[in-house]
Amino acid sequence: QSVLTQPPSVSAAPGQKVTISCSGSSSNIGNNYVSWYQQLPGTAPKLLIYDNDKRPSGIPDRFSGSKSATSATLGITGLQTGDEADYYCGTWDGSLSAGVFGGGTKLTVL
Amino acid sequence: QVQLVQSGAEVKEPGASVRVSCKASGYTFTSYYIDWVRQAPGQGLEWMGTINSSGGSTTYAQKFQGRVTMTRDMSTSTVYMELSSLRPDDTAVYYCARARPGAWARVRFVFEYWGQGTLVTASS
Repeated sequence: QSVLTQPPSVSAAPGQKVTISCSGSSSNIGNNYVSWYQQLPGTAPKLLIYDNDKRPSGIPDRFSGSKSATSATLGITGLQTGDEADYYCGTWDGSLSAGVFGGGTKLTVL
Repeated sequence: QVQLVQSGAEVKEPGASVRVSCKASGYTFTSYYIDWVRQAPGQGLEWMGTINSSGGSTTYAQKFQGRVTMTRDMSTSTVYMELSSLRPDDTAVYYCARARPGAWARVRFVFEYWGQGTLVTASS
C-alpha cells in the first residue's frame, strides 16, 4: 500500500487530454515538492515534472503539473500512442524521513 | 554526458546477500547524492535509501534498516548497495538514481538520471 494514492489506470483517445491524480497528506505532498516520472515498459523511469510544475529540458509542454494542498496532478494533452506508459508521482515524507512514490498509473491511449 | 552504469543481473538463494554497483561518470561524483529505488515485478517504485557520495553518510528507509548498506568508492566514482538476508519478495529490479543537489533531503528528492537497472532474483 503506497503512501501516495494514484488511480491504477486511465485511458483516452489520441489527441485528447488526460489527468492523473496523486493524493497524499500534510507530511508529504502538503509540505514538499512533487515530481512525476514516466516509465515505458522495460526501461528506467524518466523525469517529466519536478518542483510541482517545472519541466526538465527536452520534455514537451504537452506535459504539465500542478499541486493544491495535499494533492498533485499530472496533465497530458495531445495524447500520442507513445505516451502509453506507467506514471509515478514522488515526494519526500517528513514524518517518515523517507522518499515515497505513488503506486503508479497505467495510461492507455485507445 | 551523465551516466550511471549498474552491474549485471544476480541470482541468489534466500538468506544470502547481494551487492549491486553503480558507476557514475560525466559529472563531479562527490557533488551529488545517489539514491536506490527498487521495483518488484509488476509493482511500483519503492525508495530504499540515499548516500552522500562525498561524506558517505546514509539514510535508509525504515523497511530496510538493518538489512541494507550503501557505500561509495570515490576513487572509482562507484556506489554500492548491499542487501542481506534476501527473501523471495526481494526479487526486483534495483535502480540507482542521481539526486538533485540540495542541503535538505526533501529538496534533493528529484531524479533526472537513472541507471539501467539490475535484476536481482532471490530464489532457491
